[in-house]
Amino acid sequence: QLQLQESGPGLVKPSETLSLLCTVSGGSIGSSSSYFWGWIRQAPRRGLEWIGSIYYSGGAYYNPSLKSRVTISVDTSKKQFSLRLNSVTAADTAVYYCARQRNWNNQIGWSDPWGQGTLVTVSS
Amino acid sequence: EIVLTQSPGTLSLSPGERATLSCMASQSVTSNYLAWYQQKPGQAPRLLIYGASSRATGIPDRFSGTGSGTDFTLTISRLEPEDFAVYYCQQYGSSPLTFGPGTKVDIK
Repeated sequence: QLQLQESGPGLVKPSETLSLLCTVSGGSIGSSSSYFWGWIRQAPRRGLEWIGSIYYSGGAYYNPSLKSRVTISVDTSKKQFSLRLNSVTAADTAVYYCARQRNWNNQIGWSDPWGQGTLVTVSS
Repeated sequence: EIVLTQSPGTLSLSPGERATLSCMASQSVTSNYLAWYQQKPGQAPRLLIYGASSRATGIPDRFSGTGSGTDFTLTISRLEPEDFAVYYCQQYGSSPLTFGPGTKVDIK
């Protein structure tokens, strides 16, 4: 059964870079062209926001609202993919989830499964 | 960007009752590329429905999705105690992927 686990600092200072890692177990990132691997966040009392997704070959796709600050990368040998969000502010405080996303007709599809999520607080 | 609107914001029902949740899109969702998720407090969202009407693996058949174009519906035929949660719709027909604000189904 595929599982995903987020890891990284729970506290980041304003203007610094948020870095998170998602580790996949029970399956492989690189063995299937059927999936993307994505990051989604949920700010307190706000809804869900797609940040971006990456294909096993390294092609990445980002939400235009965050594109200037986001980098997603993948290391298939370690079964990990990562998120970097720079120049963070309090508005970036959220629970960050990683998820496997179905490649549906060469488009990023639905997310399943999700990691348990990790709360990142931006504060000095 | 496609904006999704969910109604009602909160639905207060009793176990055994039928729940009908609405998701409306600001423009037509390509090929009915719409998913529904359930989220309980302190947990990640769980996929229920994809392609507007296909149930995900392991999802009970009391959950069903219908709709096309801009209007979509999630129906829970008979609410079980574990179904009280927040439900989100999400479109993946065009980038950026977007989610609705959610409908909370709570116990009356």
